[in-house]
Amino acid sequence: EVQLVESGGGLVQPGGSLRLSCTASGFTFRTYWMSWVRQGPGQRLEWVANIQQDGGEKNYVDSVKGRFTISRDNAKNSLYLQMNSLRVEDTAIYYCARDNGELDYWGQGTLVTVSS
Amino acid sequence: DIVVTQSPDSLAVSLGERATINCKSSQGVLYSPNNKHFLAWYQQKPGQPPKLLIYWASMRASGVPDRFSGSGSGTDFTLTISSLQAEDVAVYFCQQYYTTPPTFGQGTRLEIK
Repeated sequence: EVQLVESGGGLVQPGGSLRLSCTASGFTFRTYWMSWVRQGPGQRLEWVANIQQDGGEKNYVDSVKGRFTISRDNAKNSLYLQMNSLRVEDTAIYYCARDNGELDYWGQGTLVTVSS
Repeated sequence: DIVVTQSPDSLAVSLGERATINCKSSQGVLYSPNNKHFLAWYQQKPGQPPKLLIYWASMRASGVPDRFSGSGSGTDFTLTISSLQAEDVAVYFCQQYYTTPPTFGQGTRLEIK
């Protein structure tokens, strides 16, 4: 059974940093692209970033470029999102998802709240 | 970026009746080498993550009941639930994955009439 479990969310002040983690099981992690997707208070889904199987290629939505960094550790079956210079508008539930083009499996999400 | 727009924003349908949700992309999402449209549909129930229903515009994901079907081409796509069940109450999203960044529609809330 494919499982994705996110962690690392919390309350942070504007300008602060957080590192999200996603631990995968039930599939061969190193053979898949992986994505982060967020869902803000308005409930709209926004794709944030993805990373190639070996970490060689990474893509970001414009609104997080230069602030967020996606990475992975295939030995640990883990995906990460380092978020710096956080803004109020980054407040959202952050999901990791297996990326086949379509996002075929999602974790339960971790809540990030950016507020003073 | 490709803009994806769904209609309607909300929909109320009687149990056993057909529900239809539309999705329009601002440009085509056909990948010519395999003649597939890079368009997916997701279902999200309260307190849960989105769940993949349909990919390549018309392929049902594993385990998805056959009352769910996807159709369309070019820039216009449709998700149809042939006979609405109580457990289908949810928000439905379409997504294009033809270009980076992948983009989602705003969602359609489906309720029981």
